[in-house]
Amino acid sequence: EVQLFESGGGLVQSGGSLRLSCAASGFTFSSYAMSWVRQAPGKGLEWVSGISDAGDITYSADSVQGRFTISRDNPKSTLYLQMHSLKAEDTAIYYCAKDHRSSFGHQFYLESWGQGTLVTVSS
Amino acid sequence: SYDLTQPPSVSVSPGQTASITCSGDRLGDKYVCWYQHKAGQSPVLVIYQNSKRPSGIPERFSGSNSENTATLTISGTLAMDEADYYCQVYHSSAGLFGPGTKVTVL
Repeated sequence: EVQLFESGGGLVQSGGSLRLSCAASGFTFSSYAMSWVRQAPGKGLEWVSGISDAGDITYSADSVQGRFTISRDNPKSTLYLQMHSLKAEDTAIYYCAKDHRSSFGHQFYLESWGQGTLVTVSS
Repeated sequence: SYDLTQPPSVSVSPGQTASITCSGDRLGDKYVCWYQHKAGQSPVLVIYQNSKRPSGIPERFSGSNSENTATLTISGTLAMDEADYYCQVYHSSAGLFGPGTKVTVL
């Protein structure tokens, strides 16, 4: 059974930094692309960032480009999201999600999701 | 940029059919997937590659995609189908979500 467990969320001041982690189990982590998706309070889902299976290709939404960095440690089966220069509008539940294949591309879909971790940025 | 449009809400009576649309320029040229998201839970993939159902998703969920509109159809809607539904596509190296549709089962 695929399991994804996010951690690292919390309260941080505007301009601060935070690193989220996602521990994966139940599948061969190194064979799948992964993504971070967030949901701000009262808002819809927003894709944040994606990474290929080997970690050599990454993509990010314009809203976080230059501030957030996605990475992975395949031997540890862990996905990360390093967040800098946090803003109030980054307040959201952050989900990590498993892609159905190794690369990020036009047949993209997320077949498994974690339970999410809450990030609150105070202004 | 590429924009996806969904109706904010859809109401349906139990046992009836709910249709949720997702519109975008030449959307039929892309692969569309759909997620169900209930309050306090993680999103669940219900349709991928326009019309395929993942294992464990009931047959009452179906999808189509043509020209500028993709449609998620829930046949014989149950109370447990009440949720927010999001379409998603891949565009310019990004995974884009639609704004979401709240399905209410009256």
